[in-house]
Formats: sequence, structure tokens, C-alpha cells
Amino acid sequence: QQQVKQSPQSLIVQKGGIPIINCAYENTAFDYFPWYQQFPGKGPALLIAIRPDVSEKKEGRFTISFNKSAKQFSLHIMDSQPGDSATYFCAAQPNDYKLSFGAGTTVTVRA
Amino acid sequence: DTGVSQDPRHKITKRGQNVTFRCDPISEHNRLYWYRQTLGQGPEFLTYFQNEAQLEKSRLLSDRFSAERPKGSFSTLEIQRTEQGDSAMYLCASSLGQGRNNEQFFGPGTRLTVL
Repeated sequence: QQQVKQSPQSLIVQKGGIPIINCAYENTAFDYFPWYQQFPGKGPALLIAIRPDVSEKKEGRFTISFNKSAKQFSLHIMDSQPGDSATYFCAAQPNDYKLSFGAGTTVTVRA
Repeated sequence: DTGVSQDPRHKITKRGQNVTFRCDPISEHNRLYWYRQTLGQGPEFLTYFQNEAQLEKSRLLSDRFSAERPKGSFSTLEIQRTEQGDSAMYLCASSLGQGRNNEQFFGPGTRLTVL
């Protein structure tokens, strides 16, 4: 039973476009929501994370939007570049504990 | 490079053999986690340690799997009598384990192939 639902499974954008990845959760005990980026054959790398006391967080070209009442959060990649082509995972964690991951979104940025 | 290292990076074994993987976390991190990732899926939690104490094991961790963290530093994950269904990427992560400082940093993983 997947505790975090992620969509879409894959998406393709042109360079400079804004891929948007959405995630939804049910467990209200989740209090920390990180995003990871993974390249083939590598481990997941922490990209950006948010807690439910804020509705948006920006780090460089990456932005998380968080809607606590809807139990949804999303990742936007601004001015996407071919080097951003990777698989992105949302995750959720209750109280400094194990992570529950979404199924992943493969993003392809075409030059 | 996150500072979490895993060894070996790749392991090919025959069904029925035993394998052992090692993880070295970031040195000051108290918590160490093991996850398993199959192709096209997100990582799934297996077990975690607070210092040397193993605090939880997932139902995914059958009795053929055992993990240790003997001195609260490095950890090993052993799989006995491997099966083809054990083929996956085994990921280790570590965190400070201090309340809100709970970012988990992952190692590069060990890719296991069971023939």
C-alpha cells in the first residue's frame, strides 16, 4: 500500500520549460516532505524539502508548493535544463522516522 | 558524493548463496537506514538503527535478512539463501536523528543480481 501517490509517471519538456510533479498523501502524521533526484545507477540525492508550516519553498530553480488541507505537494523545476533529466521522487516522513516514497517521475528535458 | 559509502557497488550471485553488504554512514550521524529499490519503483524501507540499536524491521525483511550495526558506526546487511526476487538496489541512508535535523542522505547503493 503506497502511502504517497506521485504523478505523472513520466514527462517530457523542452529546455526552459517547467516540469511539474504532483504528490498526495493521506497520513496526517507526516511532517516532513523531501524531494530526491536520482540519476541511473546512482543513489537518490536530496534536492529540497518542506515542512507543513509553510506553503512554498524555493531553492535555486526548484520550488515546492504545499497544500496542507488538500494533503498535496508539488515540485516545479524552473528554466529546466537537459542536465535536469532524471527521476524525481517525492517522499514523506513522520516525526524523524522512515521515509515513504512515491513511485517516481522520469523527467526528460529536450535541448 | 553525500559522504555515505556502500560496498560493493555491484554483486552478482547464484541463487542460494549468501551475500553481505556494507554501509559507512556520515560519521556524526546516529541513524542509519536500509532501503530496497526495484526497477521503476521508489525505495522501500527495510530497517533502521539508532546508534547500535535496531529499532524497526519492515515486513519486507524476511528471516533470511539480517542487519547489524555493531559499534554504532558502519552497518552490514546480510541476505542468506538468496532468491531471484532479492535482485534489487540496496540503499543505505544516514541522518543526524536529532528532531528536526532529520534529512536522510543516501549512499550510491549496492546493485544485487541473483542468477
